[in-house]
Amino acid sequence: DAGVIQSPRHEVTEMGQEVTLRCKPISGHNSLFWYRQTMMRGLELLIYFNNNVPIDDSGMPEDRFSAKMPNASFSTLKIQPSEPRDSAVYFCASSRDTRADTQYFGPGTRLTVL
Amino acid sequence: GDSVTQMEGPVTLSEEAFLTINCTYTATGYPSLFWYVQYPGEGLQLLLKATKADDKGSNKGFEATYRKETTSFHLEKGSVQVSDSAVYFCALTASSNTGKLIFGQGTTLQVKP
Repeated sequence: DAGVIQSPRHEVTEMGQEVTLRCKPISGHNSLFWYRQTMMRGLELLIYFNNNVPIDDSGMPEDRFSAKMPNASFSTLKIQPSEPRDSAVYFCASSRDTRADTQYFGPGTRLTVL
Repeated sequence: GDSVTQMEGPVTLSEEAFLTINCTYTATGYPSLFWYVQYPGEGLQLLLKATKADDKGSNKGFEATYRKETTSFHLEKGSVQVSDSAVYFCALTASSNTGKLIFGQGTTLQVKP
């Protein structure tokens, strides 16, 4: 079985540019999570979806960040405009949405904003 | 609210030493508890889990027991290897029951030959 797929794996961009990160969850999973990991702040939950509906976006740092899940097999996290402090590794994870189930993480996208 | 506290790292051990990484939690209800591991350059992966009090999760020589009375889920391994060097995260299911996990801050383990 394919795991969670993220693209791109690495992204280098200049301040002010739009960045779009993509995620394909595991087939049959109906919960999807976006995390950000930095040395300073550790692992932060940004937003999560259940059945394609955003449930909690309280972790989204500011209006420059937006996330969508147009269908069960695809989600995007967009940053517009990007800033150097957005540099981090962004992980997508999915789960079956049962209480005791496991979250499966993708390999992450390493974003560098110059 | 729900929270997880892990021991500060980094933890540096020699190969074959005994490992303990402490994890305590605060939660309403009866959460499930997890240990995830992150190897360098990779995403997190589940190491073990326990779904109710007194359960013991185990995998790859690692063990953790769900202790409700002390609200703890300490990770142990009897003999670590260099290949165990990684960051370890303790987590619990949020009381909102939507599949959301609450993660601790992570503990870096470095094992030297």
